[in-house]
Amino acid sequence: NAGVTQTPKFQVLKTGQSMTLQCAQDMNHEYMSWYRQDPGMGLRLIHYSVGAGITDQGEVPNGYNVSRSTTEDFPLRLLSAAPSQTSVYFCASSYLASYGYTFGSGTRLTVV
Amino acid sequence: AQKITQTQPGMFVQEKEAVTLDCTYDTSDQSYGLFWYKQPSSGEMIFLIYQGSYDEQNATEGRYSLNFQKARKSANLVISASQLGDSAMYFCAMREPTGGFKTIFGAGTRLFVKA
Repeated sequence: NAGVTQTPKFQVLKTGQSMTLQCAQDMNHEYMSWYRQDPGMGLRLIHYSVGAGITDQGEVPNGYNVSRSTTEDFPLRLLSAAPSQTSVYFCASSYLASYGYTFGSGTRLTVV
Repeated sequence: AQKITQTQPGMFVQEKEAVTLDCTYDTSDQSYGLFWYKQPSSGEMIFLIYQGSYDEQNATEGRYSLNFQKARKSANLVISASQLGDSAMYFCAMREPTGGFKTIFGAGTRLFVKA
């Protein structure tokens, strides 16, 4: 059972480039979310989804897009990378509202 | 709007002693869930414990318990018999139905366990 798989683990982008962070889970979880973690600021919610075809914005959605065409996959797209998007990105999923998240191992993104 | 506050940036505890990590929250919903997560220095996020707003008993999971005081809007994590491996960042989080069950995290508390 793989859990939540995030790829890549590390990435360096140049300002203005775009890329997609991949997230896949094999637990048939309905809830999926993307967070970014910056020093001293905890985890901030970027986008989230409560099921296939349903997504919504979190606390810091600007500069990011998501889609949820299947239950398993929840990719995060950076439209035009900026140095302010340098961060560690976590994808997480849970089965129901009363269940804790299972997190992916994270993607460390550096934008130069 | 949802808000989670963790006022202790860092805490020290002696090995084998108990420690309480504070968490207060703000919500206008009657139904919500509260969570605690642990992040060791290796970086992974680990779910520890869950408390529902309608649960009458405080949640417990092994050495972890959640001291839930609904009227004060607090959800403190108590770790009993601290171990060196408990040294980590600890995050409090809340999920509520309003706004589509999104989960918001606090800024975290770094716990240091001393031998």
